Amino acid sequence: EPEVTQTPSHQVTQMGQEVILRCVPISNHLYFYWYRQILGQKVEFLVSFYNNEISEKSEIFDDQFSVERPDGSNFTLKIRSTKLEDSAMYFCASSVSQITDTQYFGPGTRLTVL
Amino acid sequence: GQQVMQIPQYQHVQEGEDFTTYCNSSTTLSNIQWYKQRPGGHPVFLIQLVKSGEVKKQKRLTFQFGEAKKNSSLHITATQTTDVGTYFCAGRWRDDKIIFGKGTRLHILP
Repeated sequence: EPEVTQTPSHQVTQMGQEVILRCVPISNHLYFYWYRQILGQKVEFLVSFYNNEISEKSEIFDDQFSVERPDGSNFTLKIRSTKLEDSAMYFCASSVSQITDTQYFGPGTRLTVL
Repeated sequence: GQQVMQIPQYQHVQEGEDFTTYCNSSTTLSNIQWYKQRPGGHPVFLIQLVKSGEVKKQKRLTFQFGEAKKNSSLHITATQTTDVGTYFCAGRWRDDKIIFGKGTRLHILP
C-alpha cells in the first residue's frame, strides 16, 4: 500500500540553525500538508499546499517557515532559524483532493532544538 | 475565534466496556474528521463526517455529527486492547482552516 515517507526520522540541531524536513507524498496525491505535535500535546496544523502554492496556513506558520516542492516527488518544510520551542514531531500528510479529504500521514520527523 | 474542545482528556476503561469521546466547536463546521494515534505513532485517518446529523459506523466504532454541525462524538462498543491510543477530532471550516482537538487518550485495563 502506498505511504507517505519522511526523512530524517530524527533531527537534532542547534538553536538558530536552519533545518529542512523532507517528505515524499503518495504519488497521485495533489494536496500536501505539514503538521506539528509538541510532545504529549495535540496535532497542530501548519500549512496546506496545492498546485505549487500555499492554500492555507495557520498562525504558527510565520516568516521562519517555508514550504517547497522542489521536484515532482519531494515536499519540504524549512525552518530558517530554529528556536527551542520548535522542538516537536513534524508530520507530513497528503490527500488525493480536498473533496475526499482522507489525509495520509507520514511517520513524522522528531526535531530537537538544543 | 474557531476552537475545538475535546473531552475527556483521559479515559481508563475495563476491557469490554464502552468508550465515548466528544468534540465541540465554537462555530459551525464544514466537516469533522476523526483520527487515531497509537503511542509513538502517527495519526491515522478514521472517518470524515460532512452532513448534519450524520451517523457512520465502522465495526465497533460509531461516529456522530450533530444537527448543528458543532459537535461530534466517537463511541467504541466493547473495547479491546487494540483500541488503545489517542483519538483526535479535527474540525474543518469553509476557509479550509483545520483545528485538532487535544485528543482523548484511551487506556484499557485488562
